[in-house]
Amino acid sequence: KNEVEQSPQNLTAQEGEFITINCSYSVGISALHWLQQHPGGGIVSLFMLSSGKKKHGRLIATINIQEKHSSLHITASHPRDSAVYICAVGKGAAGNKLTFGGGTRVLVKP
Amino acid sequence: DTAVSQTPKYLVTQMGNDKSIKCEQNLGHDTMYWYKQDSKKFLKIMFSYNNKELIINETVPNRFSPKSPDKAHLNLHINSLELGDSAVYFCASSLLGGEDYGYTFGSGTRLTVV
Repeated sequence: KNEVEQSPQNLTAQEGEFITINCSYSVGISALHWLQQHPGGGIVSLFMLSSGKKKHGRLIATINIQEKHSSLHITASHPRDSAVYICAVGKGAAGNKLTFGGGTRVLVKP
Repeated sequence: DTAVSQTPKYLVTQMGNDKSIKCEQNLGHDTMYWYKQDSKKFLKIMFSYNNKELIINETVPNRFSPKSPDKAHLNLHINSLELGDSAVYFCASSLLGGEDYGYTFGSGTRLTVV
């Protein structure tokens, strides 16, 4: 079993719908990252969380440290949100290396 | 532009060749990484350098040798390339221990070994 599990693996939504992606992890962490990878392949860091909630535009990320769980929400989804969303955890020591979930492929249809 | 830049973007080469991928960051970060993304799109750490010192060396064949001439550069040299080395390699950087600094990734190098 991976240390970081994401669900769902694939998600299709209609434009305007509210989208939630979940991430559970099984190890102690210093921070959790949400990343976005577009079909072109580049990876963009969306959020780094160690507690609570962060919001950026239509994206909201939350983390519950006690339950070892994080969610990424996309409000009013748009076709340009179509991408793979990757959850990753950093353990702080030894260089902040990231351990990744398998990604959630999101397709938003117009 | 402040960024992590890696070159080349695409690399096609024959089995047995030796190749290098270069990475540079101008963000003032002190830690740099190489990650490999396999055909199933799963990302995994390979190496990490902090201020030119190797601090993470995951189970990677000896054919892979990272080199960090200074904290702004981390290059990856691969000897005797094999078909299984085909993947996308991402360079990234961060500020070690920084609470407000996330990761910045390069745009990736798609390596195809034929």
